[in-house]
Amino acid sequence: NAGVMQNPRHLVRRRGQEARLRCSPMKGHSHVYWYRQLPEEGLKFMVYLQKENIIDESGMPKERFSAEFPKEGPSILRIQQVVRGDSAAYFCASSPISTGNTIYFGEGSWLTVV
Amino acid sequence: AQKITQTQPGMFVQEKEAVTLDCTYDTSDQSYGLFWYKQPSSGEMIFLIYQGSYDEQNATEGRYSLNFQKARKSANLVISASQLGDSAMYFCAMREWTGNQFYFGTGTSLTVIP
Repeated sequence: NAGVMQNPRHLVRRRGQEARLRCSPMKGHSHVYWYRQLPEEGLKFMVYLQKENIIDESGMPKERFSAEFPKEGPSILRIQQVVRGDSAAYFCASSPISTGNTIYFGEGSWLTVV
Repeated sequence: AQKITQTQPGMFVQEKEAVTLDCTYDTSDQSYGLFWYKQPSSGEMIFLIYQGSYDEQNATEGRYSLNFQKARKSANLVISASQLGDSAMYFCAMREWTGNQFYFGTGTSLTVIP
């Protein structure tokens, strides 16, 4: 049973470019979470999605960031016009139900903005 | 206020000894879950152990146990018989069942000394 799959693992973007991070949840999981980990810090919640629905985006910056989880295909975290401060590890996690006992993380996508 | 507090930025332990990683939490909810995750240098987040707020017994998973003291709002992780492979960052997390987020602490870096 494949775990949560994230790609790319590492992404380098110049300032002003767009970054797209993809996440395929574990089989049977319909809930996806995105977290950001800045250097030397813990994980900060960004957004929680179900298929075709954004349930909670209270942790998402108001501008340049968006997320989707379409009916078919992976969840996408999109960062437009990236800036150096966006450099971080972005983790996706999934759970089978909203009140699951835990969430299972992918291996993370490391974004570096140069 | 911080939802999760980990006061030990770094810890050292001798191989084969036990170590306790501290975690305190803040919530007014009656129903919540407490989690520990391990993040080795490779970066992935590995789920270790879970404790529900209504669980009367401390959770155990192999060499990991969670010392749950509800009145003190603490959920310390105890690793017995430390191994070199235990060297990693350890994150305490909490989920309030009324919400969608997992709140993470800032982590404790554990180094096991041979």
